[in-house]
Amino acid sequence: GQQLNQSPQSMFIQEGEDVSMNCTSSSIFNTWLWYKQEPGEGPVLLIALYKAGELTSNGRLTAQFGITRKDSFLNISASIPSDVGIYFCAASWRNTGKLIFGQGTTLQVKP
Amino acid sequence: DGGITQSPKYLFRKEGQNVTLSCEQNLNHDAMYWYRQDPGQGLRLIYYSQIVNDFQKGDIAEGYSVSREKKESFPLTVTSAQKNPTAFYLCASSIDLYGNTEAFFGQGTRLTVV
Repeated sequence: GQQLNQSPQSMFIQEGEDVSMNCTSSSIFNTWLWYKQEPGEGPVLLIALYKAGELTSNGRLTAQFGITRKDSFLNISASIPSDVGIYFCAASWRNTGKLIFGQGTTLQVKP
Repeated sequence: DGGITQSPKYLFRKEGQNVTLSCEQNLNHDAMYWYRQDPGQGLRLIYYSQIVNDFQKGDIAEGYSVSREKKESFPLTVTSAQKNPTAFYLCASSIDLYGNTEAFFGQGTRLTVV
């Protein structure tokens, strides 16, 4: 099936640093979503992107829908300890509605 | 409160038994999804449904079955044909499948088969 390639797989950073992660695919999508998951819980939606080139912020988080519609990135500025978790990208096609996920980026923040 | 409820949170079953995981939503969403998550891995789509009495196979449907008799409910049965059923199962819903696919998740059910 179609795949989303998410990188990096994990990051260990110092509090206050900025973080960047991205997702790429060989397929074109109509929607890109970014989620955060904490241990033992369901993912929580952070940002939704619906148009190619769209740049959207949510507090310290910023995400962009790639111009080619095949990729997206998420930036976190000035990281804090509560940013720890697994971040997932997800994407869907308008015609099928099938929503698929990347493999996740595990973020650890050192105080 | 509006949301998605999965039950139970933890489930233990003996090998060879079928087991059904519950998922209920009161968000009035048309679309519902089931995903499987294994340690250190992403979410893999098992089944999804866009409307009552209709559902589609995802990428790993073998050994699973679903029903969608009511808009609010989308139960998942893990059958004895599923070779490696121990995993964390997540249910989600979205307004629809076409343009409003922001999916909201339940808290998950951790299934352990012994």
